[in-house]
Amino acid sequence: GAVVSQHPSRVICKSGTSVKIECRSLDFQATTMFWYRQFPKQSLMLMATSNEGSKATYEQGVEKDKFLINHASLTLSTLTVTSAHPEDSSFYICSASRDLLGYTEAFFGQGTRLTVV
Amino acid sequence: AQSVSQHNHHVILSEAASLELGCNYSYGGTVNLFWYVQYPGQHLQLLLKYFSGDPLVKGIKGFEAEFIKSKFSFNLRKPSVQWSDTAEYFCAVIPTYGNNRLAFGKGNQVVVIP
Repeated sequence: GAVVSQHPSRVICKSGTSVKIECRSLDFQATTMFWYRQFPKQSLMLMATSNEGSKATYEQGVEKDKFLINHASLTLSTLTVTSAHPEDSSFYICSASRDLLGYTEAFFGQGTRLTVV
Repeated sequence: AQSVSQHNHHVILSEAASLELGCNYSYGGTVNLFWYVQYPGQHLQLLLKYFSGDPLVKGIKGFEAEFIKSKFSFNLRKPSVQWSDTAEYFCAVIPTYGNNRLAFGKGNQVVVIP
């Protein structure tokens, strides 16, 4: 299957600083990339959908000024958590989708564990 | 928008027991359906998927799922589980045509006791 690489896998930062997470599709061009947040013992919550070269579409309740998404190319999307606070500590997962013969398949990165202290 | 429900969040069973995890979705149109697995400390991996054709889909590691359109269900089964099947299992749905959003259920935490 296709490979999606997410970096870093773990990051600890101080409250008030910003953190950038990268998501790359290594062997295919992703038509769309998605960013999820996973709370302990809960499902993945979709934060935003991004298409290359256009602004991301954020889900209701997700602050677009806090979670900046840049989708510079068909293989790279970044999520920047700005002015991070302890409540932003979570597991962030990216996904890249590929359209094949009329259907869409999603591939996931390994996730980033963000801890804000 | 599409949504997914999974019941019995915590499942504990012994090795060699049979496993069935329920998944129901709500969406008015045609959908593609997936089961993903997340082993402890690892990222999400695709177990199996349904796009069209035979509603009984076989995946990796002996898992299978059956799409029953009339019931909006896509239940996951494995006849005989192993300790290594301890993981979290997520059902997901995406419209075949439309919003391109993959919606996940809350997951089933499965623990297999040796």
